[in-house]
Amino acid sequence: DVKVTQSSRYLVKRTGEKVFLECVQDMDHENMFWYRQDPGLGLRLIYFSYDVKMKEKGDIPEGYSVSREKKERFSLILESASTNQTSMYLCASSLSSYRAGGTEAFFGQGTRLTVV
Amino acid sequence: AQSVTQPDIHITVSEGASLELRCNYSYGATPYLFWYVQSPGQGLQLLLKYFSGDTLVQGIKGFEAEFKRSQSSFNLRKPSVHWSDAAEYFCAVSSNTGKLIFGQGTTLQVKP
Repeated sequence: DVKVTQSSRYLVKRTGEKVFLECVQDMDHENMFWYRQDPGLGLRLIYFSYDVKMKEKGDIPEGYSVSREKKERFSLILESASTNQTSMYLCASSLSSYRAGGTEAFFGQGTRLTVV
Repeated sequence: AQSVTQPDIHITVSEGASLELRCNYSYGATPYLFWYVQSPGQGLQLLLKYFSGDTLVQGIKGFEAEFKRSQSSFNLRKPSVHWSDAAEYFCAVSSNTGKLIFGQGTTLQVKP
């Protein structure tokens, strides 16, 4: 089974802190994603990475950055946390569409981040 | 850029009744389409997917969806809803680069 592991289930941080959310997948997937999920807004894509060191902005990248130094790990960074970044953060991975013609994404359990 | 619209934020159906959840997408080429379900406090689970071929796709838990290119739609259906189907349902579209975009979600409530 594909496993996508997020480092924390719950996180509380202070305004202005630099926050790192880590995600690791064990199935050699090329694609990795970071979403935030808020009630009534669904899942909004923050960043998408299609290969090591390659990234593409999603719909809401402001206030976030990402790092992908190794294929299996994708980090989301909040440079200076703010209260409006309090949310559920979901990481996902999938095979490259060029390799498999398109496959579904597999999700981690999520990190609920509270910024106080 | 691709996008997904789920017009119904909240739907209530009686147990045993049929269900249809709407999904409209925008994408210039042939899309890859998905439906996911999220039960309260749980992660996302794939219900079904469309990549090519037969436009009527069967999924898990008795769900099916039909891809209609002319209407840019991928509606989810179930002939008879069970109380355990109460959850939030998300439609998603993937580009040929793998970028995956979700709709806002539809919350399904099932009345006994």
